[in-house]
Amino acid sequence: EPEVTQTPSHQVTQMGQEVILRCVPISNHLYFYWYRQILGQKVEFLVSFYNNEISEKSEIFDDQFSVERPDGSNFTLKIRSTKLEDSAMYFCASTGTVYTDTQYFGPGTRLTVL
Amino acid sequence: QQQVKQSPQSLIVQKGGISIINCAYENTAFDYFPWYQQFPGKGPALLIAIRPDVSEKKEGRFTISFNKSAKQFSLHIMDSQPGDSATYFCAARDYGGATNKLIFGTGTLLAVQP
Repeated sequence: EPEVTQTPSHQVTQMGQEVILRCVPISNHLYFYWYRQILGQKVEFLVSFYNNEISEKSEIFDDQFSVERPDGSNFTLKIRSTKLEDSAMYFCASTGTVYTDTQYFGPGTRLTVL
Repeated sequence: QQQVKQSPQSLIVQKGGISIINCAYENTAFDYFPWYQQFPGKGPALLIAIRPDVSEKKEGRFTISFNKSAKQFSLHIMDSQPGDSATYFCAARDYGGATNKLIFGTGTLLAVQP
């Protein structure tokens, strides 16, 4: 069964450093998402991406965050200058069309900011 | 209005028992209500989902009951097994934003005792 993959599984970085989290969505999907889950808390929407542009972003997704689809398969989340509070699990998700019900989630990247 | 309230926060059930998790929402624009199961260190995996034009959906041991007038929905796990021990998130899709972002509840940690 097709699946969403994410790399790395765990990223440790120093505060103020830039990190790039990578995702490979399911190949024929058109809508891509990033969600965040702080340890022990709920999953929160960060941003959605369609047709090479952001379609919606949350209040969490400030100027320090950016997303990109650099080629036909990868979807990345960049945090320019990490803060301690960015420590969380970051999940990538994808869905076929805006009318498709199911969002498929990747296994996540655990980001630890020291 | 964008919130999905979930209870209980944690639940302990004996093997063979029924696990019941409840969720409530306010936004009538929500058009799809999935339940995700999450094991430690893994991404959320779709368990079962329902649309608001249906009052109940059953898949194996898992049943969603949906009360549109009360804006409430619940997950029932029949004959609960130790392998069901996980965190369960209800969610609601905000189609009004045209991006299909999911709004998650706060999660229920289910422990099924053998």
